[in-house]
Amino acid sequence: DAGITQSPRHKVTETGTPVTLRCHQTENHRYMYWYRQDPGHGLRLIHYSYGVKDTDKGEVSDGYSVSRSKTEDFLLTLESATSSQTSVYFCAISPGLAGGSAQTQYFGPGTRLLVL
Amino acid sequence: AQSVAQPEDQVNVAEGNPLTVKCTYSVSGNPYLFWYVQYPNRGLQFLLKYITGDNLVKGSYGFEAEFNKSQTSFHLKKPSALVSDSALYFCAVSQADRGSTLGRLYFGRGTQLTVWP
Repeated sequence: DAGITQSPRHKVTETGTPVTLRCHQTENHRYMYWYRQDPGHGLRLIHYSYGVKDTDKGEVSDGYSVSRSKTEDFLLTLESATSSQTSVYFCAISPGLAGGSAQTQYFGPGTRLLVL
Repeated sequence: AQSVAQPEDQVNVAEGNPLTVKCTYSVSGNPYLFWYVQYPNRGLQFLLKYITGDNLVKGSYGFEAEFNKSQTSFHLKKPSALVSDSALYFCAVSQADRGSTLGRLYFGRGTQLTVWP
């Protein structure tokens, strides 16, 4: 999976608790993304990062925050987990925009989150 | 707004037969187009992409896709399906023109391909 790890791989938590998911890359890619995958919706972008401490919102960012203090790590935090956030979360990385080929995104193995 | 449609939730095909997984897109400006495959309990794997040039793009595992600008389509094809091709396939689009936001990908809902022996 292109030098991308996600932790934890599985998590069960209770409504109202904070949860942090970690994405770690060894490719030194500049861009990192968090998606969620739900049946019937494909993948939807939550947040993305275009450099250390540079982040922005995607299309489904409510209830989520992110941080990137190092090139290799991108954290996704569910501030107060809800049942609607039960999903599979994928991290992706991309080298950057220099040249068309740079826009290929490579995905991690995913984190399966269940909020009870 | 950018969007991708995969009109078929499921495609079933016999092993050895040709397969097609359909994708149409909507984007302002020129598109970058991608196909990804997802096997059970795995992340998405990149198959192929169209950036510019030849409308027929060849990718991994014998897959190819044809870009058709007039029909705004990017259908995935394989001449002879294998049982091991059974998986979930996603089409995605990104806006290629300058000023596009960080190569953001917009995904279709996915098509489950089943190849039966």
